[in-house]
Amino acid sequence: AQTVTQSQPEMSVQEAETVTLSCTYDTSENNYYLFWYKQPPSRQMILVIRQEAYKQQNATENRFSVNFQKAAKSFSLKISDSQLGDTAMYFCAFMKGGYQKVTFGTGTKLQVIP
Amino acid sequence: NAGVTQTPKFQVLKTGQSMTLQCAQDMNHNSMYWYRQDPGMGLRLIYYSASEGTTDKGEVPNGYNVSRLNKREFSLRLESAAPSQTSVYFCASDRGGYYGYTFGSGTRLTVV
Repeated sequence: AQTVTQSQPEMSVQEAETVTLSCTYDTSENNYYLFWYKQPPSRQMILVIRQEAYKQQNATENRFSVNFQKAAKSFSLKISDSQLGDTAMYFCAFMKGGYQKVTFGTGTKLQVIP
Repeated sequence: NAGVTQTPKFQVLKTGQSMTLQCAQDMNHNSMYWYRQDPGMGLRLIYYSASEGTTDKGEVPNGYNVSRLNKREFSLRLESAAPSQTSVYFCASDRGGYYGYTFGSGTRLTVV
């Protein structure tokens, strides 16, 4: 079974600064997908960014980017120019290719400080 | 464009009571899921339905049943609620692979 580990339960960052959230995973699969989801205080789960394992290029979505290290099984999320609206719980997630079930990490609570 | 609609948003049950959480999606997705979210534990899969007419157990199925009523609807039933089932429940759907899940807004359930 796959596992996803987020070792930082809580983090904080000053507004306009850059922060990196860590995620590692354990799998013997070669074909898989990785995701970061954001859960603001409203409780709604929002897909932030996604990465296909066979793509070497790191995914980028506006201020959000990932550092995907396949050999190290690491998938960190970098948020640039942090905004107050980035305050949320962030979940790293793994899905084996060909299956739809997703395994989630335990989450990192990010606080953006004005 | 409603996406995934969950009802109710909040519910308080007494131990032993039963209830059904409703979920519907209007995106023509084949797969639907029920997760529970507990502090410090992330989201854990309860049941899922890969397609209409099929359901399978996830990581924490005990105490729950599901029904995939049609392609749009996937309900979760608690037959005899227990305090350990106090949680936030999320329904999700997806069209497979790379696209990720679309989530409902969640149900906060408290069992007293």
